[in-house]
Parts: sequence; structure tokens; C-alpha cells
Amino acid sequence: AQTVTQSQPEMSVQEAETVTLSCTYDTSESNYYLFWYKQPPSRQMILVIRQEAYKQQNATENRFSVNFQKAAKSFSLKISDSQLGDTAMYFCALPHGGTSYGKLTFGQGTILTVHP
Amino acid sequence: EAGVAQSPRYKIIEKRQSVAFWCNPISGHATLYWYQQILGQGPKLLIQFQNNGVVDDSQLPKDRFSAERLKGVDSTLKIQPAKLEDSAVYLCASSATLKNTEAFFGQGTRLTVV
Repeated sequence: AQTVTQSQPEMSVQEAETVTLSCTYDTSESNYYLFWYKQPPSRQMILVIRQEAYKQQNATENRFSVNFQKAAKSFSLKISDSQLGDTAMYFCALPHGGTSYGKLTFGQGTILTVHP
Repeated sequence: EAGVAQSPRYKIIEKRQSVAFWCNPISGHATLYWYQQILGQGPKLLIQFQNNGVVDDSQLPKDRFSAERLKGVDSTLKIQPAKLEDSAVYLCASSATLKNTEAFFGQGTRLTVV
């Protein structure tokens, strides 16, 4: 069985600063993807960024980037220039079988609060 | 493009009553998922459909939960009878195919069982 662990229940950051959210995982798949989702108070899950395990280069999407350490099974999310709209719950997720993007194992989540 | 639609947004029922949630996926999406998200936790997959067939319902408590996807489009998730521990947000998601395509989520239904 695959697992995803987020060890930071809550984080806070000042507007315009940088914050890093941690995630570790375990899977027996050799080829897989990893995702970070954002869940604002509206409850709708929004895909923030994805990483393909066979790619050594870390993924980047505007102010969001990841630090993917395959050997350590670590997948952290860095948010630069934090904005008030980044306030949300963030989930790390691992697709079943490596590539079933909708059949996901989620971590417990990290509540991120951005302060003005 | 319209997103995944769910209704109702909120529902409060007493224990032992029944309740149903409705989901309309993105047009053309063959795969549909129902997740249960208990407060403060990550979502947990309940059931996965491919068109109108069940792919995986191993985590669905079948003694009280049921789901169907008639005609391979809309889906309903039912709980009968509800228990206090069923209080959660029920999220529906859809993707174009089983693999390698992004899943899009609805805004969920928040169920409170009192």
C-alpha cells in the first residue's frame, strides 16, 4: 500500500515571504507522478503543481516550485512571494499505480495562513 | 468549460436518516470518483467509475453506502442509514480517462449528521 505523510498540520507566513511545505511518501511503483493540491475555503481541490518521478529537474509553476528527492521519497512545495490568496489547505497526493491521476492517496494536509 | 457540479452544497440530517448527493462531471469525462473528506483530514477515495461501470469500490462501506452512475454521466451517492461518523465533505471528481489525465474536483457537499 502506498502512503503519503505531511508532518506540518499548520504553517504561517508573512505576505511576500517564502514558505516550504513538506511531504514524504512511499510507493512500490518505479514510474509515478506526485501532485500538490490547494483547497481554499470554497472546498474545491485545485491542482497546483505536478512532478514526474523519472524527471530529475524539479517542476516550477510561477511562484510554486518543488524539491523532489526521489531516493529520500521527499516532495516539498515552496511558495515564493506569498500572497493572501495562497491561504488554504495544501495536500500532497500520489496517484495509484503511479499514473491514475484521479485515484489519489492524499496526505493529511497542511493549513497555510498568509498574514498581511 | 463548465466544471464538476455537485449538489446540494450543504446538508444536515439526523442519524439513521438517508441522504443522497448528486454529481455532474465535466462533459465527456469517462472516469468519475467520489471521495470522503473528514474534517482536518485528506480526502479518501470511496468509489471509482469508468463510464457506467464500477472500477474500484473497495473502500465503500457497502452496508450503508451505495453509488450509481446511470448512462455513464451523472452520479449519485447515497447513505442509508447515516451515522454520526459520516459527517464529512463528499467530493466528486472526474477525468477524461483512467490514466494520465488530470482529475477535476467539484466543490463538494458538506454533510452534518446530528
